[in-house]
Amino acid sequence: EDQVTQSPEALRLQEGESSSLNCSYTVSGLRGLFWYRQDPGKGPEFLFTLYSAGEEKEKERLKATLTKKESFLHITAPKPEDSATYLCAVQAAGNYQLIWGAGTKLIIKP
Amino acid sequence: ETGVTQTPRHLVMGMTNKKSLKCEQHLGHNAMYWYKQSAKKPLELMFVYSLEERVENNSVPSRFSPECPNSSHLFLHLHTLQPEDSALYLCASSQDQNLYTNTGELFFGEGSRLTVL
Repeated sequence: EDQVTQSPEALRLQEGESSSLNCSYTVSGLRGLFWYRQDPGKGPEFLFTLYSAGEEKEKERLKATLTKKESFLHITAPKPEDSATYLCAVQAAGNYQLIWGAGTKLIIKP
Repeated sequence: ETGVTQTPRHLVMGMTNKKSLKCEQHLGHNAMYWYKQSAKKPLELMFVYSLEERVENNSVPSRFSPECPNSSHLFLHLHTLQPEDSALYLCASSQDQNLYTNTGELFFGEGSRLTVL
């Protein structure tokens, strides 16, 4: 069964304290892995798509990486405005649905 | 208006009521989606319309009925809901014409927070 597990469930960091969020997946033939950010009271906002192991994408303080079993979202020197819930999703080859993780709630304290 | 707009933002209804959620996208996209988001649970895809044609999702109870009159508008008609249906209902759109080779880039609205009493 296709499955996505995100860890930790919540992460509290001090401003400037770098860390990583994990997205582990099992899927029968990965077509793509996607990262989204969701602010309270808002819908998710697309961040990255990764298609193959070894691929990396960067945006400001965020860098997403992909292996055959998991993806990491690295946050370098985070700021309070990076506080949000980060969602990971995968799409299996031959399937139109995205399989979502439950998210990691990131809190950056000033 | 830009992006994806959902109304109402909040809705409280009894189990015997009939109500509808509305979604409008101003992006010229080809596909529209309804998702259900419950606290600490993954997003659940309810319905997809691609080029105005519904892609079936057999796991959704019949008390939820979607309607897509054109590529810009999407409705979710609600009837005799249960308290466990209380959740955030998110509408999204994407420019993909082929759902199986999509980019994964969905544009979401802010959601309709539904409470069923």
